[in-house]
Amino acid sequence: DIQLTQSPSFLSASVGDRVTITCRASQGISSYLAWYQQKPGKAPKLLIYAASTLQSGVPSRFSGSGSGTEFTLTISSLQPEDFATYYCQQLNSYSFTFGPGTKVDIK
Amino acid sequence: EVQLVESGGGLVQPGGSLRLSCAASGFTFSSYWMHWVRQAPGKGLVWVSRINSDGSSTSYADSVKGRFTISRDNAKNTLYLQMNSLRAEDTAVYYCAREGYYYDSSGYYYVSGFYWGQGTLVTVSS
Repeated sequence: DIQLTQSPSFLSASVGDRVTITCRASQGISSYLAWYQQKPGKAPKLLIYAASTLQSGVPSRFSGSGSGTEFTLTISSLQPEDFATYYCQQLNSYSFTFGPGTKVDIK
Repeated sequence: EVQLVESGGGLVQPGGSLRLSCAASGFTFSSYWMHWVRQAPGKGLVWVSRINSDGSSTSYADSVKGRFTISRDNAKNTLYLQMNSLRAEDTAVYYCAREGYYYDSSGYYYVSGFYWGQGTLVTVSS
């Protein structure tokens, strides 16, 4: 099975900061990676698919990059509504593994 | 608008059974592969099971294989998860999810990600 790791597990940031989260796969997954945002008590929301394509309706401050085994999610200027937990997910194999998550908290 | 509404969660004793349902609307249910994903309290997302569009093919996470059964009724636009021999470690919010797709220039399609219901809580405890 393909395993995903995320770093950092937790980050504390201020409004306006540029934030980068990394997701690494245990084997190559081409660009079959999605990013989600989850707020407490809510379902995850799809932000980015195919590693770098912004889902319709998602603000342009979110961007994704990478292929193979290393991927990044960047928030160019953190807004109050962006404080949440972010997960990556591989869609290369039917295990559809998720990363362990990165919690973005207010500094 | 895609709508997925889960129901059937609750408190059940270890060894017991529960059937979750997911009512779908706003899209052609019979055209999409569907999934169940769970999230234990304070923990991350874990994929549980998936079923193809006509119900003829299923797969499961090792942790639930042989205990859980995914099924669907396309006439009723409803997805199910039958959970047997429940354990304390099955305690979680269970989400129903629909695949999204994108197409390349050749017309071939790929899974983009999941669209989610609001979840239903299953608690396994004596």
